[in-house]
Amino acid sequence: QKEVEQDPGPLSVPEGAIVSLNCTYSNSAFQYFMWYRQYSRKGPELLMYTYSSGNKEDGRFTAQVDKSSKYISLFIRDSQPSDSATYLCAMSVYNFNKFYFGSGTKLNVKP
Amino acid sequence: DTGVSQDPRHKITKRGQNVTFRCDPISEHNRLYWYRQTLGQGPEFLTYFQNEAQLEKSRLLSDRFSAERPKGSFSTLEIQRTEQGDSAMYLCASSPQGFSYEQYFGPGTRLTVT
Repeated sequence: QKEVEQDPGPLSVPEGAIVSLNCTYSNSAFQYFMWYRQYSRKGPELLMYTYSSGNKEDGRFTAQVDKSSKYISLFIRDSQPSDSATYLCAMSVYNFNKFYFGSGTKLNVKP
Repeated sequence: DTGVSQDPRHKITKRGQNVTFRCDPISEHNRLYWYRQTLGQGPEFLTYFQNEAQLEKSRLLSDRFSAERPKGSFSTLEIQRTEQGDSAMYLCASSPQGFSYEQYFGPGTRLTVT
């Protein structure tokens, strides 16, 4: 079993839709939860991070962590064609010596 | 500050040859990571340096792989006796002390083994 599971998609939505991206994990020691965006043939870029459980909002993006269910989510409101990319979740324990990534969900926002 | 740079961007090699990649992190970032990414997969952790010390190495990493970070600045990743299964994108990331969740990734080196 992988440490982090993520639905690979692809996910296709119309412009303006609310997008929900999710990951599950098995290691209860994970404390830091990140979401990255990766455009084709580019390195990932950090979108948001959350420490432990709870919600965090940044503009059109909201990250949620439910440690009791070992489940994290990223919501994108008013999705734009420029949001079309692969979204990766990532997790780490307290010392950041190692990060575990999901396989990524490919999102396509249609104009 | 121009971000994390990697060299070369592309490398084509024949099976059995050795290859070496270089990563220049953002200056003053003391944490440096190497990952491997194949098509349709997320980055897979290979190794981690804090300054010049290699503190973590994936158990999945073959003995053919070795990495160094002399003087805690740039890093090199060497693959000996390459195999076709080594074909992948090799990503380097760095992060600062104190904001260690913030990994800044380079553009990657795409390796093709023929």
